[in-house]
Amino acid sequence: SQKIEQNSEALNIQEGKTATLTCNYTNYSPAYLQWYRQDPGRGPVFLLLIRENEKEKRKERLKVTFDTTLKQSLFHITASQPADSATYLCALDSGSGGGADGLTFGKGTHLIIQP
Amino acid sequence: DAGVTQSPTHLIKTRGQQVTLRCSPKSGHDTVSWYQQALGQGPQFIFQYYEEEERQRGNFPDRFSGHQFPNYSSELNVNALLLGDSALYLCASSKTGATNEQFFGPGTRLTVL
Repeated sequence: SQKIEQNSEALNIQEGKTATLTCNYTNYSPAYLQWYRQDPGRGPVFLLLIRENEKEKRKERLKVTFDTTLKQSLFHITASQPADSATYLCALDSGSGGGADGLTFGKGTHLIIQP
Repeated sequence: DAGVTQSPTHLIKTRGQQVTLRCSPKSGHDTVSWYQQALGQGPQFIFQYYEEEERQRGNFPDRFSGHQFPNYSSELNVNALLLGDSALYLCASSKTGATNEQFFGPGTRLTVL
């Protein structure tokens, strides 16, 4: 069965450093991989989408890489700030529905940026 | 421009009861997906509606059913509630043919006693 693994424990990073989150998957061939941010008691917020034929995507302080051979995505936040503290979710999308498909999410990584 | 809205915010039910949750998609969106998120877990895909039809379905029993209306709003119905149905229920909307990102609502917190 499909399986998505994210850092199971909270990740503590000092303010100003780069935070790197990992998403590994098995038994899946996604057309897209998406990253979302979720704050306590709120719905996830879309951050970045990367296609299977893309190696890297950037948006401001965020960078995502996608290695379909390793079946892994890395999510980087540079110059991290306490406001970046949240849970970050990795989601796989088969891209087969002709539009947005139902996403398969990992459990998420709780990121804490310490001042 | 209003984003995705959901009602109610919180709901408490007892085992065996039935519940209906509601969702209004973001303006311009035509597809609605429902997710269940248990505490400490990622969202689990329940089903997706497009053009008033169920287009995709996740691994959920048929106690979970839904509907989409002509104005694209949607309802999620859960019958014969179990304690394990306690979770945050999230609605997400998107526009078919556009990018695949989904816009989530704030969720409905359902507690089954």
